[in-house]
Amino acid sequence: GQQVMQIPQYQHVQEGEDFTTYCNSSTTLSNIQWYKQRPGGHPVFLIQLVKSGEVKKQKRLTFQFGEAKKNSSLHITATQTTDVGTYFCAGPGEVTGGGNKLTFGTGTQLKVEL
Amino acid sequence: SQTIHQWPATLVQPVGSPLSLECTVEGTSNPNLYWYRQAAGRGLQLLFYSVGIGQISSEVPQNLSASRPQDRQFILSSKKLLLSDSGFYLCAWSFQTYGYTFGSGTRLTVV
Repeated sequence: GQQVMQIPQYQHVQEGEDFTTYCNSSTTLSNIQWYKQRPGGHPVFLIQLVKSGEVKKQKRLTFQFGEAKKNSSLHITATQTTDVGTYFCAGPGEVTGGGNKLTFGTGTQLKVEL
Repeated sequence: SQTIHQWPATLVQPVGSPLSLECTVEGTSNPNLYWYRQAAGRGLQLLFYSVGIGQISSEVPQNLSASRPQDRQFILSSKKLLLSDSGFYLCAWSFQTYGYTFGSGTRLTVV
């Protein structure tokens, strides 16, 4: 079945340093989504990328979808303590009758130290 | 605006006891509904999804079941809990191929 892997699994950074997580799918994706889960919380939708090579920015966060639509990255510039959490990418496994079954990546846990 | 409610927030149940977790969505019609489970420090595993009333697709064979008795209600059940059923259960909804909105989750500990 479809597999979505993320690296690294964990990342500790000093506040102000940059952070990047990479997402790789075993299959071509129609779109890629990113979620953030704060410690003890639930995943929150951040963004969806649809086009090959697409780049989107949300303040200090930059999201990129690969040309082959099998990989993606999330880059955070100048991390802050509010960025702490686990970041998941997710790709649709199949669309059945209007459904949107997502396969989530393995996640990257980010810790930011002062 | 759309909201999703999931309860209870935490639950401690003995092995062999039944389970019923409920999730309801407000502010939208005919949402796609999902149940995911997350083991401690791990990723999200899709358990069930539904595209309409009475339509349930199971992803992982186990002693859990799901039902959708109403358009905006999704229920996760078990007749007899196992220790391995412990985890963080998350309900989510989506519209077509757009992003998911998750509920706040239920932390289930089977003892």
